[in-house]
Amino acid sequence: AQSVTQLDSHVSVSEGTPVLLRCNYSSSYSPSLFWYVQHPNKGLQLLLKYTSAATLVKGINGFEAEFKKSETSFHLTKPSAHMSDAAEYFCVVRALGGNTPLVFGKGTRLSVIA
Amino acid sequence: EAGVVQSPRYKIIEKKQPVAFWCNPISGHNTLYWYLQNLGQGPELLIRYENEEAVDDSQLPKDRFSAERLKGVDSTLKIQPAELGDSAVYLCASSRGGANTEAFFGQGTRLTVV
Repeated sequence: AQSVTQLDSHVSVSEGTPVLLRCNYSSSYSPSLFWYVQHPNKGLQLLLKYTSAATLVKGINGFEAEFKKSETSFHLTKPSAHMSDAAEYFCVVRALGGNTPLVFGKGTRLSVIA
Repeated sequence: EAGVVQSPRYKIIEKKQPVAFWCNPISGHNTLYWYLQNLGQGPELLIRYENEEAVDDSQLPKDRFSAERLKGVDSTLKIQPAELGDSAVYLCASSRGGANTEAFFGQGTRLTVV
């Protein structure tokens, strides 16, 4: 079975400062991992994905995430926050070796302060 | 290419009434998902289709919920009768299939049961 734990329900940063959204996963098989973003009243949009290639994954809008198997983590980072980054972020896992659905974390709400 | 299309965007109904949601996935996507998202929570899988076959419906409350995907393209999700606790956003997503492929989401249907 797969599961995801997003360690912070809410993160608040100042504009121009780094962003760190934490995610730990559990999977019986080698996982595929994704980060999605959801702006208010908008659909879920894929930021980036890890699928057993390079462990450092670059996504859209300057976001990146690093897969660390030893720590079972897939934290999302961005060097400098922008006001438009304020949204809900979801870490998602799927077992690579199994016929399984996407399993979502509970989400982290990112606030960006001017 | 056109994204995942859902309708209606919003629906308000009285409890005990039936309601149906419709989803048109991205052309060529064999896998279709219905997710339920409660306020402040991550999406939770209701049902997953591979073509016209429901391969994972273990989380679908079958006493009141039903779904179909005739011809392996469009899908409908029905609730009959609706209860107050069904108020949520219902998300449809599609993907090409395969463990390392991301899902593309529609904007969702926000259901309010009064």
